[in-house]
Amino acid sequence: EVQLVESGGAVVQPGGSLRLSCAATGFNFGGYAMHWVRQVPGKGLEWVSLISWDGTVTYYAGSVEGRFTISRDDSKNSLYLQMNSLRTDDSGLFYCGKERTGHYIESWGQGTLVTVSS
Amino acid sequence: DIQLTQSPSFVSASVGDRVTITCRASQGVNTHLAWYHQKPGKAPGLLIYSTSTLQSGVPSRFSGSGFGTEFTLTISSLQFEDIGTYYCQQFNYYPFTFGQGTQLEIK
Repeated sequence: EVQLVESGGAVVQPGGSLRLSCAATGFNFGGYAMHWVRQVPGKGLEWVSLISWDGTVTYYAGSVEGRFTISRDDSKNSLYLQMNSLRTDDSGLFYCGKERTGHYIESWGQGTLVTVSS
Repeated sequence: DIQLTQSPSFVSASVGDRVTITCRASQGVNTHLAWYHQKPGKAPGLLIYSTSTLQSGVPSRFSGSGFGTEFTLTISSLQFEDIGTYYCQQFNYYPFTFGQGTQLEIK
């Protein structure tokens, strides 16, 4: 069974940094692209970033380009999101997601909450 | 960025009703569109991908259709467990944008 468990969410001040992690089990992690998606509680979904199966290609939403970095460590079956220069509008529940063919998000974690506030 | 506009934003229907949700894209996305269902307090779940392919385990009362800029999700006979919010997402262009969501409740 696919399991994705996010961690690292916290309360951080504007301008600060945070690193989110996603631990993956139940599938061949190194064979799949992975996503990060953000949701402000009570609001809609915002796609944040994708990393290819081999880690060589990354894509970002315009709102985070240049501030966030997605990465993966296949030896640890883990996905990461390094978030720098955080702003109040970066707050939300961050989900990691496993792709299926075509990059559709087939499996989701339960999310980790990031609050950017002074 | 591709804008996805869902309509309606809110729908209230009775058990057994046929429900249709539309997703319109600001540019053509071929058939690279998915639908998700998010139950209250839970992570989203994939319902349909590639416009019309049912994800494994999803009941057959769900179906999807469309091409280019207009897509529909249909629930043929609404059940209690279908309440929640439905989102479309396009995978034709980066960034992979979502629609704003359609909230479904039971009358």
